Amino acid sequence: GESVGLHLPTLSVQEGDNSIINCAYSNSASDYFIWYKQESGKGPQFIIDIRSNMDKRQGQRVTVLLNKTVKHLSLQIAATQPGDSAVYFCAENTGGFKTIFGAGTRLFVKA
Amino acid sequence: DTAVSQTPKYLVTQMGNDKSIKCEQNLGHDTMYWYKQDSKKFLKIMFSYNNKELIINETVPNRFSPKSPDKAHLNLHINSLELGDSAVYFCASSQQLAAQAGEQYFGPGTRLTVT
Repeated sequence: GESVGLHLPTLSVQEGDNSIINCAYSNSASDYFIWYKQESGKGPQFIIDIRSNMDKRQGQRVTVLLNKTVKHLSLQIAATQPGDSAVYFCAENTGGFKTIFGAGTRLFVKA
Repeated sequence: DTAVSQTPKYLVTQMGNDKSIKCEQNLGHDTMYWYKQDSKKFLKIMFSYNNKELIINETVPNRFSPKSPDKAHLNLHINSLELGDSAVYFCASSQQLAAQAGEQYFGPGTRLTVT
């Protein structure tokens, strides 16, 4: 199945706070997970990825956590900035050419 | 330099017309994709090509015909356009390594409006 919600959830955070965006996936065979950021009028942009043999991966100001037991993925953004305002998508892949995108979460950063 | 480019950026046309969207990537990737994004931002894969061969066709109406003349290009032709085809279409590319997927690089999108 597809890990997709029918509505676009919204998260509003204060500038400087940490943001946590959550995603549930449904295919236990998925072994590669990616977070993308989509700004208004642009295409999705890669942020960070994680393979199923890991449960945590850190980038610059971003951390992805993977919990395979409950099929949950999260993206943590430290010290959120106005430029982080965008729609964030999680995506899953089972090792082939098909990547399934989640419904997306809109992040608003209040100055 | 643009990694993945699409033309046109905007396309307004009437029902029943035929139109094409072009995509080019200069990343040397071997896999290219077409996605459709609806008004609710839902992003759904339509086609995937690997080394010019069609790999994925996600039950897209046969009015949509992709064509990959070489690994760097994947064009999308749409016949007999319908109102429901209105959406933003994204091209993307990635490099497959030993059957493992890699991150995808997306173009800027083509906003198609059918009136």
